[in-house]
Amino acid sequence: DAGVIQSPRHEVTEMGQEVTLRCKLISGHNSLFWYRQTMMRGLELLIYFNNNVPIDDSGMPEDRFSAKMPNASFSTLKIQPSEPRDSAVYFCASRAGQVQGKAFFGQGTRLTVV
Amino acid sequence: DQQVKQNSPSLSVQEGRISILNCDYTNSMFDYFLWYKKYPAEGPTFLISISSIKDKNEDGRFTVFLNKSAKHLSLHIVPSQPGDSAVYFCAASASSNYKLTFGKGTLLTVNP
Repeated sequence: DAGVIQSPRHEVTEMGQEVTLRCKLISGHNSLFWYRQTMMRGLELLIYFNNNVPIDDSGMPEDRFSAKMPNASFSTLKIQPSEPRDSAVYFCASRAGQVQGKAFFGQGTRLTVV
Repeated sequence: DQQVKQNSPSLSVQEGRISILNCDYTNSMFDYFLWYKKYPAEGPTFLISISSIKDKNEDGRFTVFLNKSAKHLSLHIVPSQPGDSAVYFCAASASSNYKLTFGKGTLLTVNP
């Protein structure tokens, strides 16, 4: 298996534009996490899905952020409209099972909003 | 409220010596702990884990120690190698909960 695959690896966009980040889970995994990494706050959990259903989105900063899992192997994180403070590295991670166990991370998307 | 704390932002060690990375947690419901390693421009990769029913887990050069009464865990790397230079994240979860909560990481530099 190729592991968790994220695209794009880098994204530079202008303030106000829509940004869509993509994530392909490891085959057979049924839990998905979206994290955001910044210097100030470290790795923050944004949203968690289990079996394609969003279980906890309390970490999503505001309504400008939305995430979907249209099928068991794919997820998107959308920011609309984007703002400079959204600049960060966004990771998705997948896990087999709902509790405990190790999560496998993608390589991340570095987002820069200018 | 930071439930998982890594109080040392950085650590520098000589090649061949021991590296000790520390992590403290506040949530007594946490019962499973993990260490991840992260190289620049890559995602975190799983290194080693420990369940709260154990106080030690070893995998090659890496050993994790858990002190439940102190709510403290540590990662020992012996001997340290230059390739171990990376950011190390401590993470914790509770069996009643799906969340993986991370510390802010410690940058380990192993000097040749």
